[in-house]
Amino acid sequence: DIVMTQSPDSLAVSLGERATINCRSSQSVLKRSTNNNYLAWYQQKPGQPPKLLIHWASFREFGVPDRFSGSGSGTDFTLTISSLQPEDVAVYYCQQYYSSPQTFGQGTKLEIK
Amino acid sequence: QVQLVQSGAEVKKPGSSVRVSCKASGDTFSDYAFSWVRQAPGQGLEWMGGIMPIFDATNYAQKFQGRVTITTDESTTTVFMELSSLRSEDTAVYYCATSSDFEGRYGGNYYGPFDYWGQGTLVTVSS
Repeated sequence: DIVMTQSPDSLAVSLGERATINCRSSQSVLKRSTNNNYLAWYQQKPGQPPKLLIHWASFREFGVPDRFSGSGSGTDFTLTISSLQPEDVAVYYCQQYYSSPQTFGQGTKLEIK
Repeated sequence: QVQLVQSGAEVKKPGSSVRVSCKASGDTFSDYAFSWVRQAPGQGLEWMGGIMPIFDATNYAQKFQGRVTITTDESTTTVFMELSSLRSEDTAVYYCATSSDFEGRYGGNYYGPFDYWGQGTLVTVSS
């Protein structure tokens, strides 16, 4: 199984500041034939199911604010929130869907400083 | 887009089985693959398995092989997950989720990102 490791485990950022969450996979999730990275990011608020934010490592879902962006390739990826808003307090997960079983990172808890 | 509504919370004894349902509405049932993902209290997300109705294909994570069964009733557009031989470590919220990007032809088991989720079903295993 591909192991996904996120850093940090928790993060406190001031409102309006940038938040950066990292995700590393134990093997590459880049499929050369399509040049796509099989990597997604989810946001989970307390008592709610996860919400898909980004797929193919950098493609935002419809309706996701453009302050959220994803980057990276191969084994190293980043989720960036350019200007933290109160509603962004949540746990964020990365997920690889390159191979079965799909696996998630352990999560990063994002709070307001 | 599809809406997913799951059955209610369950309390089960160790060694018993639980069956959780997930009713899909709002879009064509066969346009999606359905997965079950669980989350133990205060923990992360774990994919258990999935089903692709259009390919009549089912896939399970090795960890759950032999204990989990995922089925569908296309007449009611409902997906079911049954987990047997329950133990306390199975206490978790169980989510159904869809993938609109999937491939199950020729033995394939590709499930794309999980674009829609049910509200979750808490299963508590306790003596």
